[in-house]
Amino acid sequence: DAGVIQSPRHEVTEMGQEVTLRCKPISGHDYLFWYRQTMMRGLELLIYFNNNVPIDDSGMPEDRFSAKMPNASFSTLKIQPSEPRDSAVYFCASRIRTSGLGTDTQYFGPGTRLTVL
Amino acid sequence: AQSVAQPEDQVNVAEGNPLTVKCTYSVSGNPYLFWYVQYPNRGLQFLLKYITGDNLVKGSYGFEAEFNKSQTSFHLKKPSALVSDSALYFCAVSDDYKLSFGAGTTVTVRA
Repeated sequence: DAGVIQSPRHEVTEMGQEVTLRCKPISGHDYLFWYRQTMMRGLELLIYFNNNVPIDDSGMPEDRFSAKMPNASFSTLKIQPSEPRDSAVYFCASRIRTSGLGTDTQYFGPGTRLTVL
Repeated sequence: AQSVAQPEDQVNVAEGNPLTVKCTYSVSGNPYLFWYVQYPNRGLQFLLKYITGDNLVKGSYGFEAEFNKSQTSFHLKKPSALVSDSALYFCAVSDDYKLSFGAGTTVTVRA
């Protein structure tokens, strides 16, 4: 299996521009998660999907952030307009429900390093 | 709310020596605990998890973790560290569908 795939790996943009991050989960996984990693706040869960449906977006910092999952093999995280404080590494993770709640392993992609100038 | 704490920002050990990375947890129900490792410019890689049963959990790359309910700890261990084990290690607790991560511990293994 190719694992979780994210693109681009690096993104540098100007403040005010729209940024779209992409994720392909592991085939057959029914949960998808978006995380943000910064030095100040560590790893934060932004949003997660179950069977392509957003379940909890309470971690999305502002209305400038939006996420979609149009099908089981693709998800996007969009920032519009971007700001310098959005600079971070954004990870996508996926998992499959196989057993009890909370026991299944999440598998992470390599991340997208976003720099907003 | 469930949470984990990693009391050490950094751990430094010599190659060949035992490595321990500490983690304590706070949960309201059954603790489902995980360890992940992050190498530079890479994503998080799953090492091991505790769900139930044996308090000593064995994982990838020779790592193991000991679950201690009375001390609410889940320390990661490796009997003989390698330079290649130098990385950032995260402890996490699972709350239904979500993982809550500790702040991470940077491990440096010197040759």
